[in-house]
Amino acid sequence: AQTVTQSQPEMSVQEAETVTLSCTYDTSESDYYLFWYKQPPSRQMILVIRQEAYKQQNATENRFSVNFQKAAKSFSLKISDSQLGDAAMYFCAYRSPPSNQFYFGTGTSLTVIP
Amino acid sequence: GAGVSQSPRYKVAKRGQDVALRCDPISGHVSLFWYQQALGQGPEFLTYFQNEAQLDKSGLPSDRFFAERPEGSVSTLKIQRTQQEDSAVYLCASNPTGPSPLHFGNGTRLTVT
Repeated sequence: AQTVTQSQPEMSVQEAETVTLSCTYDTSESDYYLFWYKQPPSRQMILVIRQEAYKQQNATENRFSVNFQKAAKSFSLKISDSQLGDAAMYFCAYRSPPSNQFYFGTGTSLTVIP
Repeated sequence: GAGVSQSPRYKVAKRGQDVALRCDPISGHVSLFWYQQALGQGPEFLTYFQNEAQLDKSGLPSDRFFAERPEGSVSTLKIQRTQQEDSAVYLCASNPTGPSPLHFGNGTRLTVT
C-alpha cells in the first residue's frame, strides 16, 4: 500500500511570511495524483492544490504552490504571504488511479503568528 | 445539494449502543468514501462505494462496522455495539469519477462514553 509521510507535526509562520510544508510518499506507480488539503477547526477538508504526476510543471494556486520532485517522491507545499486564515491542519494526499484510493498523511498543524 | 452533507454533526453514544451516521454526497458523484479520523491524526480509509457497489471495505476495523449505499446516492455507516475506541470523527467524501479530488463533508464527531 502507498504511504504518505508528513514529518512536521507542527509549523509556525509570521503573518506575511512564507512557509513550506513537507510531504513524501512511497509508491511503485508511475501515474498518480497528489493533493494538499486544509482542515480548519470546522473540520471540513478543503482542497488547496493538486498535482498530476505526469506533469513536470509545479502547480500554483494564488499564494499556494508546490515543489513536486517525482524522482525523490517529494511534494511540498509553499504558502506565500501567509494570512491568519491559513492557520489549520494541512494534509498531503496521494491518489492511486487503479483503485481510486486516496491515502493521507498524518498532517501538519500550521500556526500563523500576527 | 451544494456540498457533501453529513448528519448528525455530533453523536454521543453509550458503550454498547448502535449508531448510524448518514452521508448525502454531491448529486451525481459516483464514488463515495468513508474515513475515520482520530484526534490529531489524518483520515484513515474505511470503505469505498462506486454507485451502489461497495468496492473496498478493507478499512473497516471490525465486523461491528457496516456501510451501505443501496440506491447509489445516500450512504449510511452503522456501528454496532459501540466501544470507546470508536470515538472519532467520521468523514464522508465523494467525487465524480476519475482523477477528481475528493469533496468532503463536515464530518460526524462520535463520542462513546
